[in-house]
Amino acid sequence: SAVISQKPSRDICQRGTSLTIQCQVDSQVTMMFWYRQQPGQSLTLIATANQGSEATYESGFVIDKFPISRPNLTFSTLTVSNMSPEDSSIYLCSVGTNEQYFGPGTRLTVT
Amino acid sequence: GENVEQHPSTLSVQEGDSAVIKCTYSDSASNYFPWYKQELGKGPQLIIDIRSNVGEKKDQRIAVTLNKTAKHFSLHITETQPEDSAVYFCAAKRSNFNKFYFGSGTKLNVKP
Repeated sequence: SAVISQKPSRDICQRGTSLTIQCQVDSQVTMMFWYRQQPGQSLTLIATANQGSEATYESGFVIDKFPISRPNLTFSTLTVSNMSPEDSSIYLCSVGTNEQYFGPGTRLTVT
Repeated sequence: GENVEQHPSTLSVQEGDSAVIKCTYSDSASNYFPWYKQELGKGPQLIIDIRSNVGEKKDQRIAVTLNKTAKHFSLHITETQPEDSAVYFCAAKRSNFNKFYFGSGTKLNVKP
């Protein structure tokens, strides 16, 4: 299994600002995934990030709101742009196309 | 696309009792079914999984069963302990797709 770390672990942000979340994996992986987990809810896939290509977004998520970078095989960032209180969630990165492993999550509160 | 339904949404058991969580799926092409445990303030942790070529898999106190005909799979936890208290998610996936479809989660409370 992979060891995944995320930064920050939590943050409180003001509406209208942006936050960039970092995800670091201890081994090289082809695909990284970003999920959103709203309070008390299940996991919703935001996008899939391949190194060297544009991220693939799920229905309901757009690049302008959630830009993703994937500069190498062990690192990715997700930015939550122009935040509103509705963006308050846990954001999780994961790796693995067969068995999938998750990072500890970033707990975001937008006031 | 795939639709995964999970029941119950909450489950409360006495320490030492068994707990069973059930999931159904809609896509007969799904062939990989993992279970995740999410403790408060942490990311989901893979605890057990099963592929469609087997009907049951056990790992100490946890087991998963799969009925491909009925398209449902279940998580069984025996001799529950307070540290089993968490939210459990089931998921389903096709081998040639990268996307996992998650159930809505079950909050398990094990009372000491």
